[in-house]
This record gives sequence, structure tokens and C-alpha cells, in this order.
Amino acid sequence: DTGVSQDPRHKITKRGQNVTFRCDPISEHNRLYWYRQTLGQGPEFLTYFQNEAQLEKSRLLSDRFSAERPKGSFSTLEIQRTEQGDSAMYLCASSPPRVNEQFFGPGTRLTVL
Amino acid sequence: SQKIEQNSEALNIQEGKTATLTCNYTNYSPAYLQWYRQDPGRGPVFLLLIRENEKEKRKERLKVTFDTTLKQSLFHITASQPADSATYLCAPNYGQNFVFGPGTRLSVLP
Repeated sequence: DTGVSQDPRHKITKRGQNVTFRCDPISEHNRLYWYRQTLGQGPEFLTYFQNEAQLEKSRLLSDRFSAERPKGSFSTLEIQRTEQGDSAMYLCASSPPRVNEQFFGPGTRLTVL
Repeated sequence: SQKIEQNSEALNIQEGKTATLTCNYTNYSPAYLQWYRQDPGRGPVFLLLIRENEKEKRKERLKVTFDTTLKQSLFHITASQPADSATYLCAPNYGQNFVFGPGTRLSVLP
């Protein structure tokens, strides 16, 4: 399967701990997006990369959140000092050049106790 | 900020009927608008894209319309089947990111 992959699929952590998620986009997709989704809501945009450059970041994203895409391939999303309100599904999506369709991964479900 | 509304949280219809889902946006008109399907525990899957200069787009049993005057897109599934049961999300495009609506959960009853 050459779709978008995310790791881990599930993460349970205690409040105050740091967590890091990984996203591997489809090969040759130069654009990569992170979203957060809570129950009953649509995905909420977090940040966007074109190649290795982080071009956009949601104003809702606190400074506890950071994302990287060091070589323009895989990306990581780190949440520091997790809070219970961070519990959600974190989705990654990628798009090839000049195509507007986004290909989503299966998501990482985070539970903060 | 942009607000996206979808007609209802849940929609139940009988198999074989046409399902019609509504997406309304405020303020700025997007250059294009996408519709996605999402099954429980999975990421969204792209269905259709319609541009602001297009009135209608079709793909098999799916049809999307886009009315920039009403600031509305309609999504139709004809001859609906139980396998069409899922949450459907609209996503107008603004720049390089998308604002997703809350989704409509469609249940097609046999």
C-alpha cells in the first residue's frame, strides 16, 4: 500500500508529557498538511508544508505544538506538555504538485489522561 | 473567520432515494470546493472538486453544484445504497488550506 501512513495509530499519554507523531506522505507529494479532528467535527487545519518549508500555521496552534519536515519527505508533529484538551485524532494529508485533492492518512488517535 | 455550515448533523434516507447534502459558507467565496467521505476511524477520502466557474460536476451517482450567489454547494447521491452510509464533509479552499465543515452523517436504510 503506497498511501499516506501515520505512526503510531494510537497514543495514550499522561497530562504534561510530550508526544511526537510521524507522517509519511505519498512519494513525490510535495505538499503536506496536519489536521486535528474531534468527535462530531470536521478536520481543523493545523499547519502546511510545501517541500521542507512550513508555509502556513493556524493561529489556533499554541506554541506547545511544533511540526517539521526536514527533508521534504516525512513530517513530525510534536506536542509538548500535553493537556486533556489535546485529545483528538491527528490527521496528515498530502498532495502532489498542481493537484488540489488531498490524500489523508488513517490518523493518530491521542488520548491524554 | 470563515464559517462553514452543513445542513444537519445526520440525515436518514431510504435505499434507492436521492440524498441531498448542503454546504453553506460565509464571507469569501472559495476558488473551489471539495467534498470528502469519511468512515468511522478513518481519514477522509476525496470525492469531487468543483470550481467557482462551474455550476455542476458529476461522477457516477454523485453530483455537486456550486452557487456563489447563494454561497452554497449541494451534494447529491442518486440511487443511494447502504454502502453510501458515512459522514460527508465539504471543504472550501482558501489559499493553501481548506476549511472543513462539521460534516453530515448519512445513513441509508435498507
